[in-house]
Amino acid sequence: QKEVEQDPGPLSVPEGAIVSLNCTYSNSAFQYFMWYRQYSRKGPELLMYTYSSGNKEDGRFTAQVDKSSKYISLFIRDSQPSDSATYLCAMTHSGGSNYKLTFGKGTLLTVNP
Amino acid sequence: KAGVTQTPRYLIKTRGQQVTLSCSPISGHRSVSWYQQTPGQGLQFLFEYFSETQRNKGNFPGRFSGRQFSNSRSEMNVSTLELGDSALYLCASSPGLAGGETQYFGPGTRLLVL
Repeated sequence: QKEVEQDPGPLSVPEGAIVSLNCTYSNSAFQYFMWYRQYSRKGPELLMYTYSSGNKEDGRFTAQVDKSSKYISLFIRDSQPSDSATYLCAMTHSGGSNYKLTFGKGTLLTVNP
Repeated sequence: KAGVTQTPRYLIKTRGQQVTLSCSPISGHRSVSWYQQTPGQGLQFLFEYFSETQRNKGNFPGRFSGRQFSNSRSEMNVSTLELGDSALYLCASSPGLAGGETQYFGPGTRLLVL
């Protein structure tokens, strides 16, 4: 079983739709959860960063972490064509001097005008 | 503040050759991590350097190596290239003071091995 599972999509939605992206994980030591956005031929760009369980909102983006279910989500409200990208979940723990991020494989999202 | 820079952006090599990739972190950041991204495996952690020392290592063969200089710039070397080494190589920087810090990625070096 992979440490982080993410539905690769692709996901295609109309402009203005609410998008839900999800990851599950198996390592209960993970404490820090991130969502990165990666445009074609670019490096990943950090969107959301959450520590432990709970919700975090930033503009049209909401990140949710449910550690009891080992499940994280990213919601995008009022989706725009500029949101078309690959979305990667990533997570890590702070044990020792750990700097390794473990990523899901990414979900390719297309928002159609 | 300037972001993470990587050079070169594109490389074409043949099997058996070696390659060196370079990464300059965000000013003030002392931790540099390297990742390999392929369509099949996604993003996989290679190694992390802090203050010229390798602090974390992923599950890659010894052909993959790296180093960090006193100015925090880092290089990654792949020897005896194989077709399967074709990938986007990303580096990320962070202050390096505590695990779980945000990592900021560069644009990557796209390596094609023929």
